[in-house]
Amino acid sequence: GIQVEQSPPDLILQEGANSTLRCNFSDSVNNLQWFHQNPWGQLINLFYIPSGTKQNGRLSATTVATERYSLLYISSSQTTDSGVYFCAGLNNLFFGTGTRLTVIP
Amino acid sequence: GAVVSQHPSRVICKSGTSVKIECRSLDFQATTMFWYRQFPKQSLMLMATSNEGSKATYEQGVEKDKFLINHASLTLSTLTVTSAHPEDSSFYICSARGQIYYGYTFGSGTRLTVV
Repeated sequence: GIQVEQSPPDLILQEGANSTLRCNFSDSVNNLQWFHQNPWGQLINLFYIPSGTKQNGRLSATTVATERYSLLYISSSQTTDSGVYFCAGLNNLFFGTGTRLTVIP
Repeated sequence: GAVVSQHPSRVICKSGTSVKIECRSLDFQATTMFWYRQFPKQSLMLMATSNEGSKATYEQGVEKDKFLINHASLTLSTLTVTSAHPEDSSFYICSARGQIYYGYTFGSGTRLTVV
């Protein structure tokens, strides 16, 4: 199956800092989505981004499908951004390994 | 927006018993529903995909006789863990996709503990 690697695996940020999360996939996934899993386990869609760049408030994402990677940018991080960020390919819903983000006040 | 309700959120059962988990799309028709399993601090693993009115498609390594999936209507899918064992303890999550909305909406998950 398709391998989806995310980096870094863990990230600790001071509130207000910016960060970039990366998702590399081993093969074409046609479509890519970013999710946030909060500390209670709920998964929230962040972006459906097969290619190009999208922005939503403090978050933005860029996918370069030809180079098989996607980036998630978080600016001015807040403690509520804590949790695990997953990317997933929509072909067969392969989830990445996740980045665990902790934002400290 | 699209909402998926998953129940129960937490369940403890004895070894050998069966547990049913429900996943409902509240404000859209879910033509396809997905069931995942997540071990602590790990990623989500797709267990099976179900389309309304047809048999579920299970991923390799998932026992279909142990994890029974029913998708009898466009708003409800159920996962039954039969003859549960402690190793079945995990976090189970469903998601749903509708005809119009192409994203995936997730339920809030069910934490199953088998004792």
